[in-house]
Amino acid sequence: DAKTTQPNSMESNEEEPVHLPCNHSTISGTDYIHWYRQLPSQGPEYVIHGLTSNVNNRMASLAIAEDRKSSTLILHRATLRDAAVYYCTTPATGTASKLTFGTGTRLQVTL
Amino acid sequence: KAGVTQTPRYLIKTRGQQVTLSCSPISGHRSVSWYQQTPGQGLQFLFEYFSETQRNKGNFPGRFSGRQFSNSRSEMNVSTLELGDSALYLCASSPVGGPNYGYTFGSGTRLTVV
Repeated sequence: DAKTTQPNSMESNEEEPVHLPCNHSTISGTDYIHWYRQLPSQGPEYVIHGLTSNVNNRMASLAIAEDRKSSTLILHRATLRDAAVYYCTTPATGTASKLTFGTGTRLQVTL
Repeated sequence: KAGVTQTPRYLIKTRGQQVTLSCSPISGHRSVSWYQQTPGQGLQFLFEYFSETQRNKGNFPGRFSGRQFSNSRSEMNVSTLELGDSALYLCASSPVGGPNYGYTFGSGTRLTVV
């Protein structure tokens, strides 16, 4: 897996958009970019994944840089329930189940 | 649709004992992975099973083992428990486990070794 770098923590106000960055400069051409989040006392929750194009789902959007060396998870309107640790990971083809989680970004959402 | 079910939720064992944890994946999912989460090491991959075969393995000692049954349910076993094995053990399932599928995690089994 490519090494990922994320800020340790970020803060957001409720109802505002949040942009969570991730650097994965050593990513190979066939590696997907996955995002998970973990709420307190729960297992990680899948958020979104993509390869080259930007992706949207009901939870979030994923913006992938043209050179794929970085990506940004976008929460369009943060709520208190979005407070969690967000992990970016790039499972390698062939060992795709072997997700490697760094320390992630702890997102704090305030009123 | 039922999620990933892990049993038991909590477990207390004595050093030297062995323990078996169970995971029932989402119906139709054939890939089951196991992770260990500790405050010091974070989330670490243990192993993955697909169609009853171990397909990937992390860097854990041989005391950690697992298996998968024909109905895709999986168990992991830790023998000769050590204090450092105290952790949250998480199971994740995926349709086939490839990089183009997200993984659904269970809520975990919290193991305490005393």
